[in-house]
Amino acid sequence: DQQVKQNSPSLSVQEGRISILNCDYTNSMFDYFLWYKKYPAEGPTFLISISSIKDKNEDGRFTVFLNKSAKHLSLHIVPSQPGDSAVYFCAASARTSGSRLTFGEGTQLTVNP
Amino acid sequence: KAGVTQTPRYLIKTRGQQVTLSCSPISGHRSVSWYQQTPGQGLQFLFEYFSETQRNKGNFPGRFSGRQFSNSRSEMNVSTLELGDSALYLCASRPNPLGADTQYFGPGTRLTVL
Repeated sequence: DQQVKQNSPSLSVQEGRISILNCDYTNSMFDYFLWYKKYPAEGPTFLISISSIKDKNEDGRFTVFLNKSAKHLSLHIVPSQPGDSAVYFCAASARTSGSRLTFGEGTQLTVNP
Repeated sequence: KAGVTQTPRYLIKTRGQQVTLSCSPISGHRSVSWYQQTPGQGLQFLFEYFSETQRNKGNFPGRFSGRQFSNSRSEMNVSTLELGDSALYLCASRPNPLGADTQYFGPGTRLTVL
């Protein structure tokens, strides 16, 4: 049972444009959501998070939106830069399950110069 | 502040052997979690330790075990290695297991089982 899904394996955008990465979840107990960026053979790097009591969180070029009724979250990167090219993972946790992270499959973002 | 460190970074073992991986959390972080990343299964939770006690365990066989020391450093052990255990093993730390703290990951240990 895949509780966190990233339906787009890959996304390609032009430098300077907006990148939108999407994530859907099925477990209504999830109350904390995170986005990580990962390069091959390295550990995930934390980007931004959002609590279920909010619907938006911003940090510089990164904004995460949470739609609890649709069980959907998205990461917006504006403007996109070539250095943003990496695999992006959506993750979710629930206090009732000890706050373990459940990850999506990842989306490969390529930002073209 | 130094990040999460993991040793060794790369390891090659043969089937049937056992392996121990080490993780040092960020200073002040007392909770350590372990994850396995494979191409087929993605990133999956193994277990979490806090105050030298396992608090949470994922759906992995008993060949996978771990422990945590009084200085919060953690080790995980895999016994009787199988080919399918080849993966990137990631350690993550956070200040404590209560509340919605962000987990910070180390660079991982790449284990290859031949």
